[in-house]
Amino acid sequence: RKEVEQDPGPFNVPEGATVAFNCTYSNSASQSFFWYRQDCRKEPKLLMSVYSSGNEDGRFTAQLNRASQYISLLIRDSKLSDSATYLCVATLSNTGNQFYFGTGTSLTVIP
Amino acid sequence: NAGVTQTPKFRVLKTGQSMTLLCAQDMNHEYMYWYRQDPGMGLRLIHYSVGEGTTAKGEVPDGYNVSRLKKQNFLLGLESAAPSQTSVYFCASTSGRAVYGYTFGSGTRLTVV
Repeated sequence: RKEVEQDPGPFNVPEGATVAFNCTYSNSASQSFFWYRQDCRKEPKLLMSVYSSGNEDGRFTAQLNRASQYISLLIRDSKLSDSATYLCVATLSNTGNQFYFGTGTSLTVIP
Repeated sequence: NAGVTQTPKFRVLKTGQSMTLLCAQDMNHEYMYWYRQDPGMGLRLIHYSVGEGTTAKGEVPDGYNVSRLKKQNFLLGLESAAPSQTSVYFCASTSGRAVYGYTFGSGTRLTVV
């Protein structure tokens, strides 16, 4: 079983729509969580960290549910520039700070 | 401030050839990693290092070797390339505090024919 699993999509949404991605992690000892964004043929870039209390950065909101072992990313008022692959990440601090990546969820925002 | 720099950016190898991929970071990070990314497989950890002079195996280490002789550099070697090693390779580094996330290099696209 993979450490982190996410729906690969693709998600095709119109501009202005709200879209949500979910991700589950298998190890309850996971300590830190992130969402990364990866554009086609580019490196992943940190989008935001995910905190237990939930956190917001502009149009993006991330939530963590430790009891159910899932994290989510909500994008409001989607822009064309949001089109990318979104990677969910969990870390276990006792493994050299190793990060476990999901396979990514593809989002295309349509004009 | 360059961050994480990978060289080369592209390479085509013949089966059986060897090569070394270089990753250099100028952020004084302790932890460095090599990942490969294949369609449908996501990012898979090859090897990692928690400090100068240390290395450890990740999820898919076979066919690769690494060295970290200097804190700022992490080298990935392919001794005898195989077509199955055709992939995009990403180097990443972090300070060691998970809350800061990884910084990735721009990747190396390797094709083995």
